[in-house]
Amino acid sequence: DGGITQSPKYLFRKEGQNVTLSCEQNLNHDAMYWYRQDPGQGLRLIYYSQIVNDFQKGDIAEGYSVSREKKESFPLTVTSAQKNPTAFYLCASSLDRGTKGYTFGSGTRLTVV
Amino acid sequence: GEDVEQSLFLSVREGDSSVINCTYTDSSSTYLYWYKQEPGAGLQLLTYIFSNMDMKQDQRLTVLLNKKDKHLSLRIADTQTGDSAIYFCAPESDYKLSFGAGTTVTVRA
Repeated sequence: DGGITQSPKYLFRKEGQNVTLSCEQNLNHDAMYWYRQDPGQGLRLIYYSQIVNDFQKGDIAEGYSVSREKKESFPLTVTSAQKNPTAFYLCASSLDRGTKGYTFGSGTRLTVV
Repeated sequence: GEDVEQSLFLSVREGDSSVINCTYTDSSSTYLYWYKQEPGAGLQLLTYIFSNMDMKQDQRLTVLLNKKDKHLSLRIADTQTGDSAIYFCAPESDYKLSFGAGTTVTVRA
């Protein structure tokens, strides 16, 4: 079955460390997205990529970085410059706009200790 | 991104209908989606409506769109305990989705 996989499900990071969240999809989708979810604030777009080797900043890109070297993979690095990184991170992919919307992964909960 | 507003909480009795409302700001939104999120999980697509439609029915779900007022609603008929979750309205604009804060629906017996 095709799907989108995020790992790990839970991640703990010490202050000052960079950490990378994995997102892999086997849906042959062109576009991939990273969202951050905080309680009471819904989802906010961090970065998105509509094609391999190209990506754009979303609304809250500061302190984050991404790469898109393969169609299947869109890893997100939370750098030490991100002042408040504790959150639930969701990755999504889409073939195109339209009837199927986005497919979401099950999320990674990052906690800074 | 686009501004999307939803009420935060809704409590409904089992068997009654639930209505979740959403307002958005970008009149160029083409597709408007409803997603459901259960605790600790990702988002599941429930249904969608295209911007040139007023209404769409899909089993227990009815979506109404008032494009003039930029108002979207989701009605769940015969609400069940399994419908307890957070519901997100997500209009699409320029190939990107914007999300409201979500409406937490609690179904009581």
